[in-house]
Amino acid sequence: DTGVSQNPRHKITKRGQNVTFRCDPISEHNRLYWYRQTLGQGPEFLTYFQNEAQLEKSRLLSDRFSAERPKGSFSTLEIQRTEQGDSAMYLCASRPGATGNTIYFGEGSWLTVV
Amino acid sequence: DAKTTQPPSMDCAEGRAANLPCNHSTISGNEYVYWYRQIHSQGPQYIIHGLKNNETNEMASLIITEDRKSSTLILPHATLRDTAVYYCIASGAGSYQLTFGKGTKLSVIP
Repeated sequence: DTGVSQNPRHKITKRGQNVTFRCDPISEHNRLYWYRQTLGQGPEFLTYFQNEAQLEKSRLLSDRFSAERPKGSFSTLEIQRTEQGDSAMYLCASRPGATGNTIYFGEGSWLTVV
Repeated sequence: DAKTTQPPSMDCAEGRAANLPCNHSTISGNEYVYWYRQIHSQGPQYIIHGLKNNETNEMASLIITEDRKSSTLILPHATLRDTAVYYCIASGAGSYQLTFGKGTKLSVIP
């Protein structure tokens, strides 16, 4: 399967703990996105990378959230000091080059903070 | 991205065509119409997109009105596996991301 891969698919953590999600985009896709989705809502944009550069961050991305894409390939999204409100599905997506806006999503990583 | 409006829910009989409407009255000339769907607990799946002309692929057809203020996604023969939330998004070349609304929850009824 050469689609967007996300790990872990499910994570249950206690409030206050740190969690990290990993995303492997489609090969040769130099643009990578993180979205968050809560129940009953559509996906909400969090942040965007072009190669290793983080070009945009949503106001939803509080100081407890950090995303990296160190070599322009895989990306990580870390949430520090998790809160119950962080419970959501975290989606990674990627797209090739500069043409078109079609982005391809992974299956998502579910986070439950208890 | 231009705002889009979709009905919150629709039903369709299995085997019939599902016609999902979307209004995007403020769409600008360089904005495409994208459709995605999301089956429960999975990531959104790209279906189709178009600018002015009608488009068809193996999954669906996209009909865009001449004034581009609305569009319809057509699933020609709906199956139970097409039950999902369908999102219509208007996005232009100058936008780096897609903005999702709440979409239309399509239920295909046996």
